[in-house]
Order: sequence, then structure tokens, then C-alpha cells
Amino acid sequence: ILNVEQSPQSLHVQEGDSTNFTCSFPSSNFYALHWYRWETAKSPEALFVMTLNGDEKKKGRISATLNTKEGYSYLYIKGSQPEDSATYLCAFAMNYGGSQGNLIFGKGTKLSVKP
Amino acid sequence: EADIYQTPRYLVIGTGKKITLECSQTMGHDKMYWYQQDPGMELHLIHYSYGVNSTEKGDLSSESTVSRIRTEHFPLTLESARPSHTSQYLCASKGYRGRLDTQYFGPGTRLTVL
Repeated sequence: ILNVEQSPQSLHVQEGDSTNFTCSFPSSNFYALHWYRWETAKSPEALFVMTLNGDEKKKGRISATLNTKEGYSYLYIKGSQPEDSATYLCAFAMNYGGSQGNLIFGKGTKLSVKP
Repeated sequence: EADIYQTPRYLVIGTGKKITLECSQTMGHDKMYWYQQDPGMELHLIHYSYGVNSTEKGDLSSESTVSRIRTEHFPLTLESARPSHTSQYLCASKGYRGRLDTQYFGPGTRLTVL
């Protein structure tokens, strides 16, 4: 059974704090790692898709790194703002005959940023 | 911004009723998905489709059924709702536009069966 673990489960920070979360996934048969941001009552929104070991992606104050050999990805938020409050999901895609398999999601990290 | 819609957003219904959750996308995507999420748990894939007339069961067993008669429409049906079906259901689609495709999600339907 493939498992994707995210930690911490929840995080409460003050506005301006920088924070990071971890996503652990199987290190074999890797194809891609996806990060999503899911605000309450809205649709999950894609942040990053990473495929190569050592990949680093950045979108504004949010960045992510990927280590496929050891099976983990970090998501960093620099200078958290209240609007960053959301659940951050990661999803692992297995290599399925050279194509991307279906996504396997973690439970998410729920971030709350207090003004 | 992705155009994928789900209706209803919230549904409270009695045991034994037949329900259909609607999902539509206007992006012309071939692949579509249904996920189920219980509180505090992961999104689990319950159905997916590669295109018209294609449907497959996902990793999580579900008593629901789906159909794909049109590219843009992927409804999910429960013939006889039970309290165990209470959950959130999310629909997603993915297009064939290169290697780094990602899934676009609808806002979800929160189903409560009394």
C-alpha cells in the first residue's frame, strides 16, 4: 500500500513568521510530486508539480524542494500572511509504464496565520 | 483559472434516496476523476475516466457509479444513500498538455445522509 505522509498535521503561526512543511512519499517508481493549496469552501489549487530530484520551484513567497532518492519534499512559506491560511496537500504520482499514475494524496497540513 | 463545476455544493438527504452529484468542466479535458474525503483523512480516488464511454474504479471501493457520455460531464450516482456515504466528494479533470499536467478541482459536494 502506497503511503504519503505529511507533517505537521496543523500549524499555527503569527503573521510574518516563516514556516515549512514536509511530505514523505515512496522513493521507488517515482514520477511526480504535486503540491496543492486548499482554502476552506474553495477548490484545491495547484501550486507546484515537480519531477526531477533536486527540483526547486518558487511562486511568490512559497517555494518547494524535492528529494526523490530519499522520498521527501519540503514546502516553505516566507513571511506568512493571513491569506496563506489553508490546507496544503501533497500528492505522489507513481511511474506507470512511463506515464503518470493516479495521484495519491497525503492528509494535508492545515496552516493558520494569525494577524 | 480552471473551469470545473460541481452541484450541489451541499446536500442533506434521507437514507434510501437516489442521488446524483454533478460535475462539469469546460476545458475539454479527457481525464476526469472523483475523490472522496472523510474529515481529517486523505482524498481517496473512487472513480476515473480516460474519456467518453470510459470509466474505471479507483483505489477506494465505493458503492457509487459514474458515467461519461459527454466529455464535459462526469456525474456520480448513489442508487440508495446510506449514512456511511456521508462525506465530501470532489471532482477533478486533467488535460493532455505535456508531461507536467496537473489536476484541476471543483469546489466539492458535501453530502450528509441522515
